[in-house]
Amino acid sequence: SAVISQKPSRDICQRGTSLTIQCQVDSQVTMMFWYRQQPGQSLTLIATANQGSEATYESGFVIDKFPISRPNLTFSTLTVSNMSPEDSSIYLCSVVTGVNQPQHFGDGTRLSIL
Amino acid sequence: QQQVKQSPQSLIVQKGGISIINCAYENTAFDYFPWYQQFPGKGPALLIAIRPDVSEKKEGRFTISFNKSAKQFSLHIMDSQPGDSATYFCAALLNSGYALNFGKGTSLLVTP
Repeated sequence: SAVISQKPSRDICQRGTSLTIQCQVDSQVTMMFWYRQQPGQSLTLIATANQGSEATYESGFVIDKFPISRPNLTFSTLTVSNMSPEDSSIYLCSVVTGVNQPQHFGDGTRLSIL
Repeated sequence: QQQVKQSPQSLIVQKGGISIINCAYENTAFDYFPWYQQFPGKGPALLIAIRPDVSEKKEGRFTISFNKSAKQFSLHIMDSQPGDSATYFCAALLNSGYALNFGKGTSLLVTP
């Protein structure tokens, strides 16, 4: 399966600041996704990162808060903007390598907001 | 709205025992049902998956049982080991999509 690298692995940020999380895959993939996992909770899809076009956001998530880029088939970024303590979560990148292929996850970015 | 309901929330099993985690869904358009295993500090890792055209799939000590009419599926871990202690998530995927719908997770502890 594809090797997925996320940076940073963790960070502690101040309220009101923004952080950009990177997701790099070692091979071209069909789909890339961003999920949020709040402490002790399940995974919630934030958006699908579309290559060369605007991301597709799930209900409850907006582009102004979580801008996403995907400039090519191996790389995507998620920015968490104007952070508040409620944004403290694990943010996970996942990929699908092709049709009828399973979804694989990176190890996530653990974000704490003070 | 949780489209996949998972139980129990937590589970303690003795080493060598059988761990059973259950999931149920409503949307009959789901056609792919994976299980993920997550260790602390790591992302979810695909463990085993099944499609509704079979009733059971086995990979080593891990078995998925699938009941299409009841819209239920379960994960059985045979001969459970302390190294199996992790959080397990069931999920479901629509036949036309890529976005996984996750259950709330089961925290499994296997005691020595």
